[in-house]
Amino acid sequence: AQRVTQPEKLLSVFKGAPVELKCNYSYSGSPELFWYVQYSRQRLQLLLRHISRESIKGFTADLNKGETSFHLKKPFAQEEDSAMYYCALSRIRGGADGLTFGKGTHLIIQP
Amino acid sequence: ETGVTQSPTHLIKTRGQQVTLRCSSQSGHNTVSWYQQALGQGPQFIFQYYREEENGRGNFPPRFSGLQFPNYSSELNVNALELDDSALYLCASSLAPRVDEQFFGPGTRLTVL
Repeated sequence: AQRVTQPEKLLSVFKGAPVELKCNYSYSGSPELFWYVQYSRQRLQLLLRHISRESIKGFTADLNKGETSFHLKKPFAQEEDSAMYYCALSRIRGGADGLTFGKGTHLIIQP
Repeated sequence: ETGVTQSPTHLIKTRGQQVTLRCSSQSGHNTVSWYQQALGQGPQFIFQYYREEENGRGNFPPRFSGLQFPNYSSELNVNALELDDSALYLCASSLAPRVDEQFFGPGTRLTVL
């Protein structure tokens, strides 16, 4: 079965410092990978997906199939980036089997 | 355009009881997925409904069942509640069975005593 691992439960960095949220996955096929974010008192929302190769709010993530990783990075953290971040995997395009989420990383940006 | 809504916001039940949670999908969306999020965990996929039919299911027992109505709203029913069913239940809607275009609701917090 597929699995998503986010090794850090909590990550605290200073404003302006680089941020890297780690995500590793296990799945034998070719999954789609996503990052979701949940700001305080808001709903879970999609941040970015690997197939679109976008940069959203300064965040990027590259799928490394060799290392089975999909780490989320931002060169200069901002206070508004403080939130809960979840890495998620879909086994098939379309995802009728739903998303498999990691346990999440709570990112705190200190002023 | 209204977003995904869920009711009730909070619910307390006792072990062995049955519960029904409701979800109204975003306008124009025909697919609803349900997730269970236990404290300190990521959401876990329960099942998905597309055009009133179950379209996929995660690793949950049959006492978790659902319905989707012609207006695409959905219900999640849980029978014989157990203490471990205490969690936040999220629904997400999408225009088609695509996880990359789904929008989440605020969730229903279920506590089983």
